[in-house]
Amino acid sequence: QKEVEQDPGPLSVPEGAIVSLNCTYSNSAFQYFMWYRQYSRKGPELLMYTYSSGNKEDGRFTAQVDKSSKYISLFIRDSQPSDSATYLCAIMTRDDKIIFGKGTRLHILP
Amino acid sequence: DTGVSQDPRHKITKRGQNVTFRCDPISEHNRLYWYRQTLGQGPEFLTYFQNEAQLEKSRLLSDRFSAERPKGSFSTLEIQRTEQGDSAMYLCASSFPGASYEQYFGPGTRLTVT
Repeated sequence: QKEVEQDPGPLSVPEGAIVSLNCTYSNSAFQYFMWYRQYSRKGPELLMYTYSSGNKEDGRFTAQVDKSSKYISLFIRDSQPSDSATYLCAIMTRDDKIIFGKGTRLHILP
Repeated sequence: DTGVSQDPRHKITKRGQNVTFRCDPISEHNRLYWYRQTLGQGPEFLTYFQNEAQLEKSRLLSDRFSAERPKGSFSTLEIQRTEQGDSAMYLCASSFPGASYEQYFGPGTRLTVT
């Protein structure tokens, strides 16, 4: 089992819809959970990080962590065509390394 | 621009040649990381430095790969005797120590080995 599993998509939704992106992880010792956005041929850009279970909101983005299920989610409200990108979930191990999921390609249709 | 910068952005080389990439981190960041990303995959950790000390190397980093950060500022990643399997995006990131969850990435160097 991979340490971080993420459906690669692609996921296509109409503009204005709520987008739900998800990952599962295997090691209950992981404590930090991150979401990165990556546009084509660019480096990843940190969107949000969370430490514990629960929700964290930043504008149209909400990150959710459920440690009991080892499940992390990113919700995007009022999605825009500019949100079209690959979204990478990531976790930080106890020795400060980041393990990324494969990324989900998201297309917002105008 | 005070973000992470990488040079060159693109490199095409013939199999067997040596290549070197450079990364300039955010100036206040002590930690510097190198990753490799292939198509359809997330970035994979290669190595990281705290100041000039290389603290960890992945098993992905074969003997043909070497990274340095001589003065604790910029870093170089060298690949000797390149192989076609080395074709990938090489990403650099930086962070404060103790804040590895908050890494900032550069634009990457795309390597194509022909």
